[in-house]
Amino acid sequence: AQSVTQPDIHITVSEGASLELRCNYSYGATPYLFWYVQSPGQGLQLLLKYFSGDTLVQGIKGFEAEFKRSQSSFNLRKPSVHWSDAAEYFCAVAPRQAGTALIFGKGTTLSVSS
Amino acid sequence: DAMVIQNPRYQVTQFGKPVTLSCSQTLNHNVMYWYQQKSSQAPKLLFHYYDKDFNNEADTPDNFQSRRPNTSFCFLDIRSPGLGDAAMYLCATSRVVGGGTDTQYFGPGTRLTVL
Repeated sequence: AQSVTQPDIHITVSEGASLELRCNYSYGATPYLFWYVQSPGQGLQLLLKYFSGDTLVQGIKGFEAEFKRSQSSFNLRKPSVHWSDAAEYFCAVAPRQAGTALIFGKGTTLSVSS
Repeated sequence: DAMVIQNPRYQVTQFGKPVTLSCSQTLNHNVMYWYQQKSSQAPKLLFHYYDKDFNNEADTPDNFQSRRPNTSFCFLDIRSPGLGDAAMYLCATSRVVGGGTDTQYFGPGTRLTVL
């Protein structure tokens, strides 16, 4: 069955420290891969996506993610976290076919301490 | 500049009283989705429209219906809201590219409260 696993439910990082959020997927073929961020009471904002090509993708707000086919992973990283990065982060996959839904992980809540 | 707009942002209804949530988009995308997101959970797809074709998820309750009168608008109707339907409802859009679906763009959501 298709699934997305985000092993960390909650992570706390000091402001200025580096961040890595983990994401593993289970899928028959390489899907499209996404990271979204959600602030409390808000919709989901796309951080970055991987469709094909370079396996290291750059996103908004200084985030990047690396696709590793051998590990079925798509981990999100940021070299220096800001207090405004505190939010819920969702990894998602979508099959490479038209009109299909995103499959979300359960999300990781990021807290930033000063 | 808004691309996916949802109205209202907050909706309060009474148990059993029908409610309609609205979504509009300025992106001219051919696919529109409705997700339900309960507190501290991931969004769960209810259904989507691919152009005029309606696609219902197998486990979406009959209580939930949708209409898409044109490309820009899509509505979510909850015929008889129960307490368990209180949630954030997210609308998203995407376009079909090369046989696959491009990125989904989300609206800000409508927070539904059922009294």
